[in-house]
Amino acid sequence: EAEVAQSPRYKITEKSQAVAFWCDPISGHATLYWYRQILGQGPELLVQFQDESVVDDSQLPKDRFSAERLKGVDSTLKIQPAELGDSAMYLCASSIGGVSGANVLTFGAGSRLTVL
Amino acid sequence: KQEVTQIPAALSVPEGENLVLNCSFTDSAIYNLQWFRQDPGKGLTSLLLIQSSQREQTSGRLNASLDKSSGRSTLYIAASQPGDSATYLCAHRGSTLGRLYFGRGTQLTVWP
Repeated sequence: EAEVAQSPRYKITEKSQAVAFWCDPISGHATLYWYRQILGQGPELLVQFQDESVVDDSQLPKDRFSAERLKGVDSTLKIQPAELGDSAMYLCASSIGGVSGANVLTFGAGSRLTVL
Repeated sequence: KQEVTQIPAALSVPEGENLVLNCSFTDSAIYNLQWFRQDPGKGLTSLLLIQSSQREQTSGRLNASLDKSSGRSTLYIAASQPGDSATYLCAHRGSTLGRLYFGRGTQLTVWP
């Protein structure tokens, strides 16, 4: 069964350091999402890509977060500098996309970030 | 801003019980509503997706209903099993390309 791959699974860093997460969506999925999930809460969208273009990054803290999907396939989410409040699970998801209603999202296992 | 509320926040039941998990949303505009399962420390698994034109969807022991007029969705789990123990999240999408808004989830524990 096709999966969304994410790495690393766990990351511990000190505040002010740089952190990067990688996501490889299901082959053929045009839409890629990065979500942040704080413990005990539901995921919140950080950024959404349609192919290589950003569709929605309104909730991305652009002073410290950046995301790219250069060739419209895999994606990287970067945080620099990391702050204590960034400790969370970072989830990547992908979907076929488009207007066909095929909007079922497939999530990866997530990257758990702890900032000390 | 869209708000999605899930009740109860936690539920602990003996094996075999039929369960009802509730989800309510404030935005009357709806494209679809999805139910997900999340095991501890893991990603989300899609369970059911209900389009705005549908009233319910079924998959095995799971049945999800949608009442647009009242802004509610309900997930029914029949004959619960210990393997059903997980957090169940609902997510509302208001338009075709709109973002998903998640509730905080219902943490379910089914004991043998």
